[in-house]
Amino acid sequence: LAKTTQPPSMEAYEGQEVNVSCSHTNIATSEYIYWYRQVPHQGPQFIIQGYKDYVVNEVASLFISADRKLSTLSLPWVSLRDAAVYYCIVTDRGNNAGAKLTFGGGTRLTVRP
Amino acid sequence: GGIITQTPKFLIGQEGQKLTLKCQQNFNHDTMYWYRQDSGKGLRLIYYSITENDLQKGDLSEGYDASREKKSSFSLTVTSAQKNEMAVFLCASSTGTANSDYTFGSGTRLLVI
Repeated sequence: LAKTTQPPSMEAYEGQEVNVSCSHTNIATSEYIYWYRQVPHQGPQFIIQGYKDYVVNEVASLFISADRKLSTLSLPWVSLRDAAVYYCIVTDRGNNAGAKLTFGGGTRLTVRP
Repeated sequence: GGIITQTPKFLIGQEGQKLTLKCQQNFNHDTMYWYRQDSGKGLRLIYYSITENDLQKGDLSEGYDASREKKSSFSLTVTSAQKNEMAVFLCASSTGTANSDYTFGSGTRLLVI
């Protein structure tokens, strides 16, 4: 059973705000939520992480529902450079913190000029 | 800032050949990982290592060996390359502590002829 469910693809125009959703209905109390993105010919790049409520950094913001079963990555004012595959990951930090970062299929974001 | 370097960037091998991929990081990170990514798919964990000389199997370890000779380097060996195999192998590192994100290399692209 997949730990996360994301839409396989999304489209947006430059300058729009994009919200990428991720469902993690079986998230455990010890698990954190991470978002990464991958552009062609590069490894994934960390965007943001959170446990609950709302997190913001210079790149994106992350809203996590009260029951933690749903998270939404928000990208303000997307540009062509934001075209990438966005991965939502939940993982237990545990004793081997970060040891099992499991990637699903991700959401492919297409940005049109 | 640090860097994670994978060599070679491209690797062409022959069926049955043993092939070795190398990864170096200068972040002084404790934990290192090897992932495989097939075209259009997410990443799958092959091996990881939480400290020098440690090895932990991931979901895809069969057909691979790994070696963590020192803290800064982690190598992966394809024990017997499969004909027509084509994939990208991504190395990553992290501090392994809570709130740690992963840093990925740019990958080694493998083609077996």
